[in-house]
Amino acid sequence: EAQVTQNPRYLITVTGKKLTVTCSQNMNHEYMSWYRQDPGLGLRQIYYSMNVEVTDKGDVPEGYKVSRKEKRNFPLILESPSPNQTSLYFCATRGQAYNEQFFGPGTRLTVL
Amino acid sequence: RKEVEQDPGPFNVPEGATVAFNCTYSNSASQSFFWYRQDCRKEPKLLMSVYSSGNEDGRFTAQLNRASQYISLLIRDSKLSDSATYLCVVNGGGTTDSWGKLQFGAGTQVVVTP
Repeated sequence: EAQVTQNPRYLITVTGKKLTVTCSQNMNHEYMSWYRQDPGLGLRQIYYSMNVEVTDKGDVPEGYKVSRKEKRNFPLILESPSPNQTSLYFCATRGQAYNEQFFGPGTRLTVL
Repeated sequence: RKEVEQDPGPFNVPEGATVAFNCTYSNSASQSFFWYRQDCRKEPKLLMSVYSSGNEDGRFTAQLNRASQYISLLIRDSKLSDSATYLCVVNGGGTTDSWGKLQFGAGTQVVVTP
């Protein structure tokens, strides 16, 4: 089954404690991206990657890092989380048709 | 000004009725348009693409008006299962993201009532 998986699904942490949210896809897609979703703001792109070892900033990259060492994985790293990073995070891949994005189930992060 | 704007709703619709709502976009160079559906903070899923000539998928009809820079979604014979948030998505094109940056609206909530 084609899917995008994220872990953890829920996380409560404290300010400054480094964390990583993993994202993995089995669709062999080159394009992957991370979004955050906040009430009234819609999905905003954090980082994207057009291929292995190629990453670029989206609209709200501050406070985040990513890496793309292999095609299937695209982890999101928060080196020093702050309360304003409390949000719902989605990882997504995009197929060759450049149209449909497939989203992971989301990670609900709370930073205290 | 947001690049993609939607009426947040909620649109309260009796079962069996028709509901329609729009989404406006600011980038006149936008090339592709989509409607996604999102249920209760779950992941968004593609509902339908929007073509220049308009298109229909069962009870759902999407229209594009390039002159006025908006797209619309119409749902006929609403079902309880249509209750969801509908996200307008626009592919801006012409950016450093050669695949075209997707811009998401904040969503329109539809609540279908018995």
